[in-house]
Amino acid sequence: NAGVTQTPKFRVLKTGQSMTLLCAQDMNHEYMYWYRQDPGMGLRLIHYSVGEGTTAKGEVPDGYNVSRLKKQNFLLGLESAAPSQTSVYFCASSVAGTGRLAGIRFIYEQYFGPGTRLTVT
Amino acid sequence: RKEVEQDPGPFNVPEGATVAFNCTYSNSASQSFFWYRQDCRKEPKLLMSVYSSGNEDGRFTAQLNRASQYISLLIRDSKLSDSATYLCVVNNRANGGSQGNLIFGKGTKLSVKP
Repeated sequence: NAGVTQTPKFRVLKTGQSMTLLCAQDMNHEYMYWYRQDPGMGLRLIHYSVGEGTTAKGEVPDGYNVSRLKKQNFLLGLESAAPSQTSVYFCASSVAGTGRLAGIRFIYEQYFGPGTRLTVT
Repeated sequence: RKEVEQDPGPFNVPEGATVAFNCTYSNSASQSFFWYRQDCRKEPKLLMSVYSSGNEDGRFTAQLNRASQYISLLIRDSKLSDSATYLCVVNNRANGGSQGNLIFGKGTKLSVKP
């Protein structure tokens, strides 16, 4: 299994250009996520999806759109790139729902792709 | 209070040392806790899930103190390969039902020296 893959690995855009980042997973996971990671900021959730055809906003959704047309793919789009979107983008996926251990409900861990380094000039 | 707080470090320790990282979280209703490891310019990878009061996996021990809203990670007999950034991760939903609410700490950097 390849796990979670992302394309492209690197990209340089000019301000105002658009692009789509592709995330694919072969683990049959229901849930998928897009994060960005900036120095000193940690990982921040952009958008997520709990199933094919559904998406929801995360912590920092502005300037991004997403689509989940197939269960295994989650696309992140930048319609008009800005320098503030220079970042490392990580996709992740996880099993749906929750588990229970020793009477405590927990959520399942997320598996990450290798990341896309995007620079907007 | 920030949702998940960690000491950014860096922690510089010699091989063989024992090192502990702490993490505090603000949402008392959180029920899922994880430690992830992230190597330089790589993706985060799950190190341990933290269950109940804590658990151990080889040289790694995670502790959870719900009363103090505090998680710790202890690494014994540090190896050079343990050098990485360690991320504390907490969910902020009471029922743990929404996967869209994992909160990542900014990470603690560990450097193990020969």
